[in-house]
Order: sequence, then structure tokens, then C-alpha cells
Amino acid sequence: TQLLEQSPQFLSIQEGENLTVYCNSSSVFSSLQWYRQEPGEGPVLLVTVVTGGEVKKLKRLTFQFGDARKDSSLHITAAQPGDTGLYLCAGAGRSSGSARQLTFGSGTQLTVLP
Amino acid sequence: KAGVTQTPRYLIKTRGQQVTLSCSPISGHRSVSWYQQTPGQGLQFLFEYFSETQRNKGNFPGRFSGRQFSNSRSEMNVSTLELGDSALYLCASSLILGRTNTEAFFGQGTRLTVV
Repeated sequence: TQLLEQSPQFLSIQEGENLTVYCNSSSVFSSLQWYRQEPGEGPVLLVTVVTGGEVKKLKRLTFQFGDARKDSSLHITAAQPGDTGLYLCAGAGRSSGSARQLTFGSGTQLTVLP
Repeated sequence: KAGVTQTPRYLIKTRGQQVTLSCSPISGHRSVSWYQQTPGQGLQFLFEYFSETQRNKGNFPGRFSGRQFSNSRSEMNVSTLELGDSALYLCASSLILGRTNTEAFFGQGTRLTVV
């Protein structure tokens, strides 16, 4: 059983379209991070959200942490081919776990077609 | 500031052999975690070291072990390799943000292939 469920698993869209990726859990996390990973490389940290209800923007990317700190979303506006990659959410500080042990979602493979 | 450095980038080993992977964290980071990434299971936590002590361990067999040195560099070892150990092994260097928050920065990983 995945502690963090990501959806959709695969997403293929045209350049210029908008999209949202969801990360849901029944567990409460102290913080949640979003990463993007290219093939054969390590995940690159995009953002950390800490406060329930928090919204952070990174250029065309908008990240939101749910009020109950159990879920998060990533919205990309006007997607570009350079946004292509595997998007991973990861929770830290789960109520029954260590703050330094990240629990990862299964990932969303995004392909943006030119 | 240099990022997380993992060596080697690629390894091919035979079943039954053992392997040692190395990780140098970001300067000043004292927490190092290891993760295994496979297509079927995704990213799974192996263990975490902080101040040369293993603090947390994931659900992996005892063939997987690690250690951390006084300069925070870490190594992980896998003994008696199995085909299923083929994976991308990722090291994360963590900045501790208070008591309950962690921000992890990953290396490029070591691609291990067991034949």
C-alpha cells in the first residue's frame, strides 16, 4: 500500500496546456516536497511546503499544501517541453515516522509535446 | 557550493558479489540518507545516518548496510547481490529544518546492474 498516492501516473499534453498533479495520503506530514527527475539522474528539489493551506509559486508552477497537511497539488500553467520529467512528491515527518525519512509517491511522468 | 556527489555512476556486478557505493554530502550537511529506486517499487528508503550513527532504517534485508564517517561522507554496502538488487541507488544530503522538517538534496545516483 502506497502511503502517498500520486495521480495521474502518466500525463501527455501539448505545449501551452495547463495541468495539475495530485498527491494524496491518509497520513499527516510535517512538510511535503516536490521533486522533478530526469532519466538516469537524481531528483531535483522544486519546493518545500510546510504550513497547512500554504501556496507557493515558482514561475509557472504553483504548489499547494492541503489544510490538513495530508495532500498536495502541483499546477503547471502553459506547459513547455522543458517541463517534461518525472514529478515526485515526498512527505517528511509522518506522524509515525522520522522527520528525516522521506516517504515518496509513485510519481507522475509528464510529457509535454511541442 | 558543491552538490551531493555519488561514485561510481555505473556498476555492473555478478550475482553473489558485494558492492560498496559512496556518497559525499553537501558541505555542512550532517544527515545522509540512502534510497533505492526501481521501476516497480519507486523510491524506497534504505537508511539514514546522522553524526556517524544510523538513525533510521527502512524495510530492507540485512544484506544492505551502511556507515558514515566523521566528515559526513557515507558508504552503503550490499552483500551477496541478487538480480533484484539492480536499481538506481540515490543518496540524499539533508538540511534539518527544525525538529520535524527535512529538506533533502539528491545526488545523481549510482546505477547498479546485477547480472
